[in-house]
Amino acid sequence: RKEVEQDPGPFNVPEGATVAFNCTYSNSASQSFFWYRQDCRKEPKLLMSVYSSGNEDGRFTAQLNRASQYISLLIRDSKLSDSATYLCVVILNTGNQFYFGTGTSLTVIP
Amino acid sequence: DTGVSQDPRHKITKRGQNVTFRCDPISEHNRLYWYRQTLGQGPEFLTYFQNEAQLEKSRLLSDRFSAERPKGSFSTLEIQRTEQGDSAMYLCASSSTGGARSPLHFGNGTRLTVT
Repeated sequence: RKEVEQDPGPFNVPEGATVAFNCTYSNSASQSFFWYRQDCRKEPKLLMSVYSSGNEDGRFTAQLNRASQYISLLIRDSKLSDSATYLCVVILNTGNQFYFGTGTSLTVIP
Repeated sequence: DTGVSQDPRHKITKRGQNVTFRCDPISEHNRLYWYRQTLGQGPEFLTYFQNEAQLEKSRLLSDRFSAERPKGSFSTLEIQRTEQGDSAMYLCASSSTGGARSPLHFGNGTRLTVT
C-alpha cells in the first residue's frame, strides 16, 4: 500500500469555483504534512504546511483529520493561474523521508 | 539567487553510458535529498544526506546509482550503464533541519533522456 494516495483527477473547474482535494495517508505515525504545487515540467514548490488546527492562506485552506488519516486542500474563487498539479506530502515521525502523492491535476477554465 | 541549483538542466545520453548530475543546496541547509519523477507520478525518494553522511537509500536506488556529498555541501548523483528506464526528472531538494515544520526546497531538476 502506498504511503500517500491522491485522486489524480483531472479536475476541470470554471473560474471562480471552489474546488477541494483530499489526500489519504496510511501510516498513523505520520507527523508533518504539506501541500506542494507543481507546474508543467517545473519543480514542486511549497504551497502551504498543514497544521492540526487547520490553516488558511488567502484563498487556500488546508485541513488535517488525524482520525481518518487524510488532509485536504480547499481553493476558493479559482483563478486561471491556479491551474497546476497539487501534491500532498507526508513525513513520518522519523523525519527522514518525505512521501509524495501522485498529484491531483487542476485546470481552471475561463 | 540562493535557491537550490542543479546542473545540467537536460541530459541526453545513449544507453550504457554513465552520467553524473550535480546539486548545490541552499547554503545553510544541512539535509539534501534526491528524488526521481516520471510523467504522471509524484517524486519518488532515492536517497538523503545529513551533512556528508548518506543516512538513507531507497530500494529504488540500484547498484548502478551512487550519490555523494563529500564536504557536506554540494552533492552528485551518478548513474552507471544507463538504461532507458532511467529516463526521468531527477530532483534535488534541501531542508534545514528536516522533519516537522521544515519543508523541502527543490531545484529545477535534471531531465535525463536515455536513447
